[in-house]
Amino acid sequence: AQTVTQSQPEMSVQEAETVTLSCTYDTSESNYYLFWYKQPPSRQMILVIRQEAYKQQNATENRFSVNFQKAAKSFSLKISDSQLGDTAMYFCAFGDYKLSFGAGTTVTVRA
Amino acid sequence: GAGVSQSPSNKVTEKGKDVELRCDPISGHTALYWYRQSLGQGLEFLIYFQGNSAPDKSGLPSDRFSAERTGGSVSTLTIQRTQQEDSAVYLCASSLVTGASTDTQYFGPGTRLTVL
Repeated sequence: AQTVTQSQPEMSVQEAETVTLSCTYDTSESNYYLFWYKQPPSRQMILVIRQEAYKQQNATENRFSVNFQKAAKSFSLKISDSQLGDTAMYFCAFGDYKLSFGAGTTVTVRA
Repeated sequence: GAGVSQSPSNKVTEKGKDVELRCDPISGHTALYWYRQSLGQGLEFLIYFQGNSAPDKSGLPSDRFSAERTGGSVSTLTIQRTQQEDSAVYLCASSLVTGASTDTQYFGPGTRLTVL
């Protein structure tokens, strides 16, 4: 079975500061993909960033970057220069076509 | 272009009734997925369609749940004899080509189902 664990139910960050969300997963596969999705109150799931497991280089997407530690099965998301629009629930996901999702981390950016 | 659309946005039904949820994928996307999101939880995979291949139904929680995809486009998720534990947000996603993990899944806004 594939499991994804997000150990932080809620995070709060001051606008313009940095916040890091943790994610660990469990799999016996060697090739796979990991994702971070954002879900604002509108319910729309939006892809933030993705990482191919065979790539050692950590993915970055503007203010979003990941720290992928394959041996530790860890995949954290760093949000730099946080903006009010970043307020949302963030889900870590993993798999091939069947994605397994963590329970989510609610991020609140304070003005 | 247009994203994934789902209807209805919200559905309230009585226990024991049947419901149908609709998903219109992004034009040209051959892969379509259904997920369920219970309150405060992550998403749970339900079913996956890819082209003309047999769907992967491994995530359907019971035989009360079924889904079809007509003409390789629109999909309908049907829940028969609804139970209160079926209350959740049902999300649909679509992706290009093979549905492999290299293809980003684009999600619709979901249907919130409430079973009274």
